[in-house]
Amino acid sequence: EIVMTQSPATLSVSPGERVTLSCRASQSVRSNLAWYQQKPGQAPRLLIYGASTRGTGISARFSGSGSGTEFTLTISSLQSEDFAVYYCLQYNDWPPATFGQGTKVEIK
Amino acid sequence: EVQLVQSGAEVKKPGESLKISCKGSGYSFTDYWIGWVRQMPGKGLEWMGIIYPGDSDTRYSPSFQGQVTISADRSINTAYLQWSSLKASDTAMYYCARPQVQQLVHAFDIWGQGTMVAVSS
Repeated sequence: EIVMTQSPATLSVSPGERVTLSCRASQSVRSNLAWYQQKPGQAPRLLIYGASTRGTGISARFSGSGSGTEFTLTISSLQSEDFAVYYCLQYNDWPPATFGQGTKVEIK
Repeated sequence: EVQLVQSGAEVKKPGESLKISCKGSGYSFTDYWIGWVRQMPGKGLEWMGIIYPGDSDTRYSPSFQGQVTISADRSINTAYLQWSSLKASDTAMYYCARPQVQQLVHAFDIWGQGTMVAVSS
């Protein structure tokens, strides 16, 4: 089973700041990596798939990069609606596909 | 509109059985895998397993193998997650989700609204 490790666990930022979240895989997942945003009481929302392709309707301020074992989600200028928990998911090797433990982006 | 609609919240006692559902609409149900994801209270997302309704091919995470059963009835476009004997540790929100690419296990882009299962004596 591939282990996905996200860092940091919590990020305290101010609106307008640039944010970088990391996700590391225990072995290569090629580019089969997705990022999700989850707000309280809501289902996760797909932001990025294929490591760098934005999902339908996702703002251009969200970007993804990386391949193999190291991945990054960048939010170029944090908006109030972006405060949430972010998860990465590898779907290269399954079952099981595996999620990271999440990074909470909170208001500073 | 493509959507997955899940059954309502459940409150059960330990040892009871349960089957929750996820109905797909707006797309060809038999052409896409459907997966189940657990989220325990205050915790992260866990990939439980996945089924291809076209031929009922089902795969489980080792963590959930033998603990739950995933099935589908393609005649009514519905996938199921069931337990034969619930435990308090099964208390969680359960999501069904569909990958964005047909016939492939891929990133989930369509999610159900979630079914809350509470197990308590």
